[in-house]
Amino acid sequence: QVQLVESGGGVVQPGRSLRLSCVASGFTFSAYGMHWVRQAPGKGLEWVAVIWYDGSDKYYADSVKGRFTVSKDNSKKTLSLHLNNLRVEDTAVYYCATTREPAAPLDHWGQGTLVTVSS
Amino acid sequence: SFDLTQPPSVSVALGQTASLTCGGDNIKTKDVHWYQQKPGQAPLLVIYRDYNRPSGIPERFSGSKSGNTATLTISRPQAGDEADYFCQVWDSSTAWVFGGGTKLTVL
Repeated sequence: QVQLVESGGGVVQPGRSLRLSCVASGFTFSAYGMHWVRQAPGKGLEWVAVIWYDGSDKYYADSVKGRFTVSKDNSKKTLSLHLNNLRVEDTAVYYCATTREPAAPLDHWGQGTLVTVSS
Repeated sequence: SFDLTQPPSVSVALGQTASLTCGGDNIKTKDVHWYQQKPGQAPLLVIYRDYNRPSGIPERFSGSKSGNTATLTISRPQAGDEADYFCQVWDSSTAWVFGGGTKLTVL
């Protein structure tokens, strides 16, 4: 079955960087686009970024554009999110999720990894 | 920007029907997806493209859309259906958008 396992979260100071990973199994990773979605403590879901199945296109939420970079290694079945110049408001659980195309649902989700930005 | 509006909370008695709404301009032209999130868990897709149920989702979950409002209906909800429910669409100018979520309480 589909499994997505995120890692890389932790406590980091404002202005520092972090790299999150999402390792996939149980499906053809190279055929799927992948999203990152975050959820601040006690808040709703916020879309962060998406990368298409072959890595050809990437889109970002305005709140992270220029600071976060999404990448996908199909040979390693791994999705990454590089978080630079972190802010306190980036504190959240970060989820990776699968998708087929823009209007498609986010079919499967990982369990998330917590990023805490604090001085 | 494109916004989706959900009521913060909905309460329903056991045996009744819960209707969770999601409003947005021109939502009738967009595919609406619904996710269930229980405390401490990842979101789970329960309805996709307005009214379709993924494999494994009980038949008591259904979706519909009328005018500028999409609705997730839960017939005879169980205690285990207590959760936060989020609607989501893709908008070509705003990208992927989630509603603020509705907390469902089963009394």
